[in-house]
Amino acid sequence: EAQVTQNPRYLITVTGKKLTVTCSQNMNHEYMSWYRQDPGLGLRQIYYSMNVEVTDKGDVPEGYKVSRKEKRNFPLILESPSPNQTSLYFCASSLSSPLGRTLNSPLHFGNGTRLTVT
Amino acid sequence: DQQVKQNSPSLSVQEGRISILNCDYTNSMFDYFLWYKKYPAEGPTFLISISSIKDKNEDGRFTVFLNKSAKHLSLHIVPSQPGDSAVYFCAASGVEYGNKLVFGAGTILRVKS
Repeated sequence: EAQVTQNPRYLITVTGKKLTVTCSQNMNHEYMSWYRQDPGLGLRQIYYSMNVEVTDKGDVPEGYKVSRKEKRNFPLILESPSPNQTSLYFCASSLSSPLGRTLNSPLHFGNGTRLTVT
Repeated sequence: DQQVKQNSPSLSVQEGRISILNCDYTNSMFDYFLWYKKYPAEGPTFLISISSIKDKNEDGRFTVFLNKSAKHLSLHIVPSQPGDSAVYFCAASGVEYGNKLVFGAGTILRVKS
């Protein structure tokens, strides 16, 4: 089954304790991205990757890191989490960019990771 | 400043009636628009899209209308079903935004049976 898999689904941590949220897709997609969803703000892009070893900042990259060493994996790293990073995080992938402009390029989302930083 | 706005946080509709979800955008460079649907505990899924060269696109019970002069689009669901109850996100794309989608805040739709 074609899917984007995120782990863990739920994570509670303390301020300053480094964490990684994993994301993997099995569709051989070139484009991968991380979003956070907050009430009243919708989905905001954190980082994206056009292909292996190619990453770029989205709209809210502060406090986050990513890497794309393999095509299928795109982990999100919080080196020193803070309470304002408490949010619902989604990983997404697409066959290609630009996004959504052809039938081949809608974003496919994972089921989300709810992160709480105390 | 949000470039894609969904001003109605929620909408309640009776089963069988029409649901109309609205979306406004401010950036005239956007030329491709999408709607995503999200159920609780799941990620958003692509629903329907429209290019700025069209003013209407239909897919079964779902129709998206685009009014470029008003920078407004709407999603019509006819007839509404209880299974349509979800959060609906409007998103926009443009050549200068080729590598990202800009999302609205979402509208919660509740279809009552």
